[in-house]
Amino acid sequence: DIQMTQSPSTLSASVGDRVTITCRASQSISSWLAWYQQKPGKAPKVLIYHASTLESGVPSRFSGSASGTEFTLIISSLQPDDFATYYCQQYSDYPWTFGQGTEVEI
Amino acid sequence: EVQLLESGGGLVQPGRSLRLSCAASGFPFGDYHVDWVRQAPGKGLEWVSGISDSSNSVGYADSVKGRFIISRDNSKNSLFLQMNSLRPEDTAVYYCTKGKRTDWGAFDHWGQGILVTVSS
Repeated sequence: DIQMTQSPSTLSASVGDRVTITCRASQSISSWLAWYQQKPGKAPKVLIYHASTLESGVPSRFSGSASGTEFTLIISSLQPDDFATYYCQQYSDYPWTFGQGTEVEI
Repeated sequence: EVQLLESGGGLVQPGRSLRLSCAASGFPFGDYHVDWVRQAPGKGLEWVSGISDSSNSVGYADSVKGRFIISRDNSKNSLFLQMNSLRPEDTAVYYCTKGKRTDWGAFDHWGQGILVTVSS
């Protein structure tokens, strides 16, 4: 199975900060990676798919990039609505797997 | 508007079975890959199982393989998860999800989730 190692697990930040979250795959997944945002008590919402494609309706302050088996989610200027938990997920091979999550807190 | 509505959850004793259903609307259900994702209380997301548009490809997490069975009925726009030999560690909110057309493993719509509690 492909393991997704996400870091950090918790991130303290302020409004306006540039935030970087990293996910590393245990083997090549090409660009078959998505990023999700989840708020307490709510279903997750896709932000990025195919490693760097912004989902329709998602603010442009969110971006994704890839370098080999390392993937990055960047929030260019953190907004109050962005305090949430973020997950990466690979969909290259079954079983599809999620990272452990990164909680972005104030 | 895409809607995914889960049903069939609840409290069940260890070792018993439960069948989850997901009623889909607002999109051509038979053209899309659909999956189940779960989240144990206070924990992260775990992919459970997925099925292709025509049911010719299915996948399972190692933790449920041999116990859970995914199926779909495209004529009724419905997705199912038959859960057998349930364990306390299967306790979670179960989400029905829809994949994107080209990236069918990226979930662009989620149901509201349904709680399954496995306890004696």
